[in-house]
Amino acid sequence: GAVVSQHPSWVICKSGTSVKIECRSLDFQATTMFWYRQFPKQSLMLMATSNEGSKATYEQGVEKDKFLINHASLTLSTLTVTSAHPEDSSFYICSAPRGGSHNEQFFGPGTRLTVL
Amino acid sequence: GENVEQHPSTLSVQEGDSAVIKCTYSDSASNYFPWYKQELGKRPQLIIDIRSNVGEKKDQRIAVTLNKTAKHFSLHITETQPEDSAVYFCAARGVNSGYSTLTFGKGTMLLVSP
Repeated sequence: GAVVSQHPSWVICKSGTSVKIECRSLDFQATTMFWYRQFPKQSLMLMATSNEGSKATYEQGVEKDKFLINHASLTLSTLTVTSAHPEDSSFYICSAPRGGSHNEQFFGPGTRLTVL
Repeated sequence: GENVEQHPSTLSVQEGDSAVIKCTYSDSASNYFPWYKQELGKRPQLIIDIRSNVGEKKDQRIAVTLNKTAKHFSLHITETQPEDSAVYFCAARGVNSGYSTLTFGKGTMLLVSP
């Protein structure tokens, strides 16, 4: 199957700082990538759809100014959590479909964010 | 938008028994239904999927059934093994703002006792 990586795998930061998470498709190009957030013992909640060459599409209730998404190339999308607070602590997972959003999504390994 | 309900939230079985997890969806336009297995702290792994033009699909010990009329689909695991213990998520894919997006159920924690 296709390979999607994320970096970092975990990060601890102080409240008020910003954290950038990278999502890369290693062996295929992805014009679309998805960002999910997963709280402990809960499901994956779609935060936004990242689109190469255009603005991200955010789900209802997700603050676009707080969760900045940049789809810099066909293999890289970044999620920046700005002015992080303890309630932003979560597991952030990206996914990328190979060949268009209607195809199977391949998930990254996730990034555990802890905000102190 | 799409809404996916999943039951049960936890399921405990003895090794060798069968396990069944059920999901319902709300959007009749959804056309793809994957099932994911997620171990603690790891990424979701696709274990089986089914498209809306098929009623049943099987892969060794795992099978999925789909009833489009009733808008529900189920995961069946036979001859369960301790390594099947994990959280299982169903999902439904529909079109959201022009993109095909997945809506996940809340998950089922499956515990298989030796």
